[in-house]
Amino acid sequence: EAQVTQNPRYLITVTGKKLTVTCSQNMNHEYMSWYRQDPGLGLRQIYYSMNVEVTDKGDVPEGYKVSRKEKRNFPLILESPSPNQTSLYFCASTGGGAREQYFGPGTRLTVT
Amino acid sequence: SQQGEEDPQALSIQEGENATMNCSYKTSINNLQWYRQNSGRGLVHLILIRSNEREKHSGRLRVTLDTSKKSSSLLITASRAADTASYFCATNTGNQFYFGTGTSLTVIP
Repeated sequence: EAQVTQNPRYLITVTGKKLTVTCSQNMNHEYMSWYRQDPGLGLRQIYYSMNVEVTDKGDVPEGYKVSRKEKRNFPLILESPSPNQTSLYFCASTGGGAREQYFGPGTRLTVT
Repeated sequence: SQQGEEDPQALSIQEGENATMNCSYKTSINNLQWYRQNSGRGLVHLILIRSNEREKHSGRLRVTLDTSKKSSSLLITASRAADTASYFCATNTGNQFYFGTGTSLTVIP
């Protein structure tokens, strides 16, 4: 089954404790992306990757890091999380020219 | 920010009625897509319209695009209770995606 998986689905952590949210897709897609969703603001792109070892900033990259060492994986790293990073995070992937995105189920992060 | 906006923010209709939601965006686009999201779940792609297209249909969905006005509309005909969800437009400009703020649709059985 074609899918994007994210882990963990729920995470409560404290300010400053480094964390990683994993994302994996099994569709051999070149393009992968991370979004955060906040009430009233819709989805905002954090980082995206056009291919292995190629990453670029989206609209809201501050406080986040990503890496793309393998085509299927695109982890999101918060080196020193802060309460304003409490949000619902989505990973997505797309392949081909149409750019239809496939989304993961989301990770709800709470930073206290 | 190049984020788009949907209008209305919320819409409540009776089952069987049509639902129309609008999207405005700010920059030139490659294409515009509509997505559906059920209550905090992942988004599901509904339909894509390219910048050189004016109208597209898929089942009960009809999408229009007016690039001169930088706007799009999504029409859901003969709505069902299962259509209750949030709907987002997303524009693709270069290598980035910009989502609107969403329309929350409630279809009352």
